[in-house]
Amino acid sequence: KAGVTQTPRYLIKTRGQQVTLSCSPISGHRSVSWYQQTPGQGLQFLFEYFSETQRNKGNFPGRFSGRQFSNSRSEMNVSTLELGDSALYLCASSFESRSTPSPLHFGNGTRLTVT
Amino acid sequence: AQRVTQPEKLLSVFKGAPVELKCNYSYSGSPELFWYVQYSRQRLQLLLRHISRESIKGFTADLNKGETSFHLKKPFAQEEDSAMYYCALNRGGATNKLIFGTGTLLAVQP
Repeated sequence: KAGVTQTPRYLIKTRGQQVTLSCSPISGHRSVSWYQQTPGQGLQFLFEYFSETQRNKGNFPGRFSGRQFSNSRSEMNVSTLELGDSALYLCASSFESRSTPSPLHFGNGTRLTVT
Repeated sequence: AQRVTQPEKLLSVFKGAPVELKCNYSYSGSPELFWYVQYSRQRLQLLLRHISRESIKGFTADLNKGETSFHLKKPFAQEEDSAMYYCALNRGGATNKLIFGTGTLLAVQP
């Protein structure tokens, strides 16, 4: 089975621009979560989608948004980029169990650099 | 507030020595606890979860609700155990929102 695939692997943007990151989950996984990883803050939860609906959201400004498509693929968008948005963005998928949290399977991440 | 604390940024041991990576959490409910590992140039992956109560690659972790701890242990470290280890908490129920600790880099010296 193919793992979680994130594209692109690397992105360089300038302040004020917007960016879209893509994530393809493992086949059969309907839950997709996004995390931001930085040296200072570590791994922080952005949001989670299940069946095209946002189920949870972390404490990030409204410039961070996401969506999930009917095939479970997900995208996240960051508008009006700031220098502090430079980070590794990780996507994770899981085989959903409504009663018990399932292990997350992570992608390799998208490294975003804002200049 | 939910929080996961990993007090050690770096733990250096010699091959064959016992290993204990500390993890403490704060959560008033009944959480799910996980250990994730990231080997050099590999993606973050699940090592073990407390409800499984299993040993993976010789590692075990016991949830101690009284001490709110979920320490990761291995009796004899191997060089291939060198990696970044993250403890994570899920509040339970239908959610995959994980609260991660800041991670501990385990370096096993030959």
